[in-house]
Amino acid sequence: AQKITQTQPGMFVQEKEAVTLDCTYDTSDQSYGLFWYKQPSSGEMIFLIYQGSYDEQNATEGRYSLNFQKARKSANLVISASQLGDSAMYFCAMREVPTNQFYFGTGTSLTVIP
Amino acid sequence: DVKVTQSSRYLVKRTGEKVFLECVQDMDHENMFWYRQDPGLGLRLIYFSYDVKMKEKGDIPEGYSVSREKKERFSLILESASTNQTSMYLCASTRLLADYEQYFGPGTRLTVT
Repeated sequence: AQKITQTQPGMFVQEKEAVTLDCTYDTSDQSYGLFWYKQPSSGEMIFLIYQGSYDEQNATEGRYSLNFQKARKSANLVISASQLGDSAMYFCAMREVPTNQFYFGTGTSLTVIP
Repeated sequence: DVKVTQSSRYLVKRTGEKVFLECVQDMDHENMFWYRQDPGLGLRLIYFSYDVKMKEKGDIPEGYSVSREKKERFSLILESASTNQTSMYLCASTRLLADYEQYFGPGTRLTVT
C-alpha cells in the first residue's frame, strides 16, 4: 500500500488565488512528521513546511499552510495568493519516527496562470 | 547554510559500466539517503544510512549498492549499469530528529546508453 497518496497529477490556479494540494498518508505509528517540498523546473528540492503528528495547530509558513486532519490522515497544502513563481512540482512526504524512513508521494504539478 | 553536493549534474555511461555517484554533506547529519526520481513515480528510496558503515535497503535496492566510510560522504554504486537505470538521482541528508527536514543535493541526471 502507498504510504503517501497525491491524487492530483496536475493543477492550475489563477494568479493571486488560493490553491489546495491534496495529500493523504498511511501509517500505524503514533509519532510521525509530515513535510511538503517544492521542486521548480531547475530541479532542486525546497523544503516548505512541517507538521508533527502531535501538533494540535496547523502549521503555517508565510503563504503556505498545512491543513492537518489527523483522523482522516490528510495533510493538504494550502498556498494563498498564488504567484507565477509558485509554478512547480509539489511533493508531500512523511517521516516515520521509529524507522527513520521518509516516504514521498508522486507529486502534483502546479501551474499558475497570469 | 546546509550544503549537500553531488559529484556530477549530468552523467552519460554505457551499459555494463560501473558507475559511482558521490554525495557529500557539510552539516554533520547522521542520516543520508539516495533516491531516484522518475516522471509519475515521485521519489523512490534506493538506500539510506543512519551511521557510518551502516546501510538499510529502501524500496528499490536491486542493481545498486552503497558505501558510507565517512559521516559526510555517501556513495551510490551501480555495479553494472543498465538502460533502465537512466534516471535523476537525488541525495539527501537529515538529523536524527523527528521534526527535522531532509536537505537535498542538486541531483545527478544519469543516462545509460
